[in-house]
Amino acid sequence: AQTVTQSQPEMSVQEAETVTLSCTYDTSESNYYLFWYKQPPSGQMILVIRQEAYKQQNATENRFSVNFQKAAKSFSLKISDSQLGDTAMYFCAFMKQEMRFGAGTRLTVKP
Amino acid sequence: GAVVSQHPSWVICKSGTSVKIECRSLDFQATTMFWYRQFPKQSLMLMATSNEGSKATYEQGVEKDKFLINHASLTLSTLTVTSAHPEDSSFYICSASPGQRSGNTIYFGEGSWLTVV
Repeated sequence: AQTVTQSQPEMSVQEAETVTLSCTYDTSESNYYLFWYKQPPSGQMILVIRQEAYKQQNATENRFSVNFQKAAKSFSLKISDSQLGDTAMYFCAFMKQEMRFGAGTRLTVKP
Repeated sequence: GAVVSQHPSWVICKSGTSVKIECRSLDFQATTMFWYRQFPKQSLMLMATSNEGSKATYEQGVEKDKFLINHASLTLSTLTVTSAHPEDSSFYICSASPGQRSGNTIYFGEGSWLTVV
């Protein structure tokens, strides 16, 4: 079974600064999808960014970008110009047939 | 855009009773839906894959007889927690996808907070 590892339980960053959240995964598959989700206290799962494994180009969504290293099975999320509203839990997820999540990273953006 | 709706958002039930949570895809058909459980300050753990018209596929360690899943139509899956106990108190969330034609986009419900007293 695929596993997803987020080694940073908590991270903090100053407002307007840049922060990178780490994620590694283990799979024998060649085609799959990777995601970063944001979860505020309400519990809602908000898609931040997604990457198809067959695409070499790193996905970007405004202030959010990923560094996808397929050979290393690494999928880190970079948040630029951090905003107070970015404070939340962030989950990395792997999907082939079903979606599986890492343990999460609690990000706090400080004013 | 596509929406997945869960009901109820919050439910409190007495220990020993059963509670049903619904997951509906509002504007697409979903042959497969997924149920997750999330304990406080923990990650989402996949409980089962709900397949329309057939039995659900449960993850190892999830009790089939306790967590009954029914996927009777292409837009509705239900999770019934039977004989609920306080340790079943958790956040339950479902997800669904229109399939490959949507690029395997996944949509999550709003989640359901279950408290067993």
